[in-house]
Amino acid sequence: NFMLTQPHSVSESPGKTVTISCTRSSGSIASNYVQWYQQRPGSAPTTVIYEDNQRPSGVPDRFSGSIDSSSNSASLTISGLKTEDEADYYCQSGVFGGGTKLTVL
Amino acid sequence: QLQLQESGPGLVKPSETLSLTCTVSGGSISSSSYYWGWIRQPPGKGLEWIGSIYYSGSTYYNPSLKSRVTISVDTSKNQFSLKLSSVTAADTAVYYCATPRDGIDNWFDPWGQGTLVTVSS
Repeated sequence: NFMLTQPHSVSESPGKTVTISCTRSSGSIASNYVQWYQQRPGSAPTTVIYEDNQRPSGVPDRFSGSIDSSSNSASLTISGLKTEDEADYYCQSGVFGGGTKLTVL
Repeated sequence: QLQLQESGPGLVKPSETLSLTCTVSGGSISSSSYYWGWIRQPPGKGLEWIGSIYYSGSTYYNPSLKSRVTISVDTSKNQFSLKLSSVTAADTAVYYCATPRDGIDNWFDPWGQGTLVTVSS
């Protein structure tokens, strides 16, 4: 089986752009769709990106997703950071990544 | 739209069986469009898929838990259930029910609110 590796934490200032990576250990990142979930403390995860780069209705277009076959990874980019974006973010492609804590300070 | 709600005991003794139920509203559990899944999250840790079931009763389990897990469906009550046997403290977690949208274990949406189960004597 494979693993999805995410940075443990990232931090950035309000208004800036941050990118969270998700690297697949074996097999092609393109072989299964990648999802990204946002989880605020005490709440269930919610989808911010599905099928690599699709945004559910209600998710602002500040959130975008992509995959890169050359690095075998997926990325979640959040632009125009707001303090409300502070949360844990998980990638998933069958298995779940370990999660990244985003701090907006 | 679909809504899921977990229910069950919040405290289970070591070596006993954890039992949870997920009630589905806003849609039929017998819909051929959906699988139904369980995911857990130990305190302060990441997410782990436990298993999924189709309304017909076909089940799919995480190999790491397969020997202890049973997932079943009750179409008359629009519910599906999780049983995890021989629990230890390592099974303490928030347990979520959720709907996989891509196959049996990918893109879960929506999720229930989750229920904390503590394994302790």
